[in-house]
Amino acid sequence: QVHLVQSGAEVKRPGASVKVSCKASGFTFASSYIHWVRQAPGQGLEWMGWISPNAGHTSYAQKVQGRVTLTASTSTRTAYMELRSLTSDDTALYYCARGWTQHYFDPWGQGALVTVSS
Amino acid sequence: QSALTQDASVSGSPGQSITISCTETSSDIGGHNSVSWYQQRPGRAPQLIIYDVTVRPSGVSYRFSGSKSDNTASLTISALQAEDEALYYCSSYTSPSAVLFGGGTMVTVL
Repeated sequence: QVHLVQSGAEVKRPGASVKVSCKASGFTFASSYIHWVRQAPGQGLEWMGWISPNAGHTSYAQKVQGRVTLTASTSTRTAYMELRSLTSDDTALYYCARGWTQHYFDPWGQGALVTVSS
Repeated sequence: QSALTQDASVSGSPGQSITISCTETSSDIGGHNSVSWYQQRPGRAPQLIIYDVTVRPSGVSYRFSGSKSDNTASLTISALQAEDEALYYCSSYTSPSAVLFGGGTMVTVL
């Protein structure tokens, strides 16, 4: 069964960085895509980017390009999303999801809440 | 820059059919078939229910169907049930190698 388990909630100060992990099981991790999507409280979904674990190729949304880095370890079947220079606008639930292609993805992890507050 | 526009809310009575639309401001949707739909029930992670405009993943109810005409994609839910009450998001491929979500449509079962 395909399963994605994410790291726990984080509270960060403005200007800090956060790194969220996503451990995968039940599918061929190396040859899939891992997408990252965030959802601010009461708001819609915002796609952040994807990584191809085998090749290390990435694609990022323009809005977060330059502040986000996606990485993956095929040995531990874990993907990571690091976001830097945090502001209150980055407060959101961060999801990872298994990409069937570069364009759509399922299932999703349980989400990791990141709160940015002084 | 492209954007996907969805109605904020749609409602229907049990047993009825409803249709949610997703309009691309540029002509991107009309030029490819990489349109998908996600259902998000309250307090839950989203779930893929349609991909490549019309394809249902295994396990998704036949009551969900997708279509596209020019720059508008649509999701139809037939024989509406209480369990269908949720947020629905359309998604489209956008160059280069990126994904765009619509703002979401809240479906209410009366």
